[in-house]
Amino acid sequence: GESVGLHLPTLSVQEGDNSIINCAYSNSASDYFIWYKQESGKGPQFIIGIRSNMDKRQGQRVTVLLNKTVKHLSLQIAATQPGDSAVYFCAENSGDYKLSFGAGTTVTVRA
Amino acid sequence: GAGVSQSPRYKVAKRGQDVALRCDPISGHVSLFWYQQALGQGPEFLTYFQNEAQLDKSGLPSDRFFAERPEGSVSTLKIQRTQQEDSAVYLCASSREDPNSPLHFGNGTRLTVT
Repeated sequence: GESVGLHLPTLSVQEGDNSIINCAYSNSASDYFIWYKQESGKGPQFIIGIRSNMDKRQGQRVTVLLNKTVKHLSLQIAATQPGDSAVYFCAENSGDYKLSFGAGTTVTVRA
Repeated sequence: GAGVSQSPRYKVAKRGQDVALRCDPISGHVSLFWYQQALGQGPEFLTYFQNEAQLDKSGLPSDRFFAERPEGSVSTLKIQRTQQEDSAVYLCASSREDPNSPLHFGNGTRLTVT
């Protein structure tokens, strides 16, 4: 996990606003990036992944952006809901089976 | 079951005791992983199985840690002579064979060594 990190450990967002969670990575060989959500007392849950040959991918209420020039990954959550409160991890895969996780960003949604 | 199941959910061990943590992966998932998650940190890779073969154990912290998956399904992580620094959440994950298949994590076993 040394090559993956997050810019901010915590993020507080008003319910209904959009959230942006950032992540920097340093391993140029990584070819797949993933965002996981971890709620208290639970295991990480896959949100969305993006391959290195893409720069944007959209899911349901989530968008992942990849900027390989500056080795930056972000997760955007539209219309943040109370159920989005959790710790979010970015992770990278350099082509084998191992995932390297960052330290995580704790998102708190204010009602 | 529908997801990865881990037991026990919580384990308290006295320093020096041996513990065994169990993982039931999703049926049909070839790949199985163990990760260790310290408080406030991201998961750290411990070991990887493809079916019954342990292909990578480079993340195991010491020779006190041992993992097995004898029939290619259920896996057990054993820690001998537990130390306080072993206190963490131990996560099991399984996936299909494709390296980029999403990992499905269990809810972990929280180990506290006193």
